[in-house]
Amino acid sequence: NAGVMQNPRHLVRRRGQEARLRCSPMKGHSHVYWYRQLPEEGLKFMVYLQKENIIDESGMPKERFSAEFPKEGPSILRIQQVVRGDSAAYFCASSPPGIDPYEQYFGPGTRLTVT
Amino acid sequence: LAKTTQPISMDSYEGQEVNITCSHNNIATNDYITWYQQFPSQGPRFIIQGYKTKVTNEVASLFIPADRKSSTLSLPRVSLSDTAVYYCLVGDMNGGATNKLIFGTGTLLAVQP
Repeated sequence: NAGVMQNPRHLVRRRGQEARLRCSPMKGHSHVYWYRQLPEEGLKFMVYLQKENIIDESGMPKERFSAEFPKEGPSILRIQQVVRGDSAAYFCASSPPGIDPYEQYFGPGTRLTVT
Repeated sequence: LAKTTQPISMDSYEGQEVNITCSHNNIATNDYITWYQQFPSQGPRFIIQGYKTKVTNEVASLFIPADRKSSTLSLPRVSLSDTAVYYCLVGDMNGGATNKLIFGTGTLLAVQP
């Protein structure tokens, strides 16, 4: 059973461009979470999604950030008009339904660099 | 969600037992204690979880006193590869609609040869 897959692993964008980060959860997992880790800081929750639904987006910046988890395909975290402050590692995690929500499986992360 | 307090860093040597203590004075009745490990440039990894007394798995042991206001993660005979940041999290496993993990600053464990 493959783990959580994220791509790309590294992404470089110029200020003003769009960044699209993809996450494929583990097989059988219908819950997806996105976290952000700024340099020298801890992980911060961004958004929690289930298939076709956003359950909790309390950690998402109000502008430029959006997330989706369609019925088919990976979850996408989209950042429009990136700025230097968006440079960070973005981690996706997944968990199966009905099981301990605190046992989440994390992907390797996407490191976004905005130049 | 209960706030947790951990030491910022700890040093150890290979082969020693390491104990990392986490304080969670405001833990609620329904809260569980969960520990994650994060290696540099990787995502966190679930290590262990408990509610009370002692839990042991192939990686670590978790000791929780009766008042549950603290917990101790014990790593037996650490090696260089155990150098990582260790996070203590506390929360209600049935926390309603959201399952978000709240990470603190964690404890950076540095294992020396």
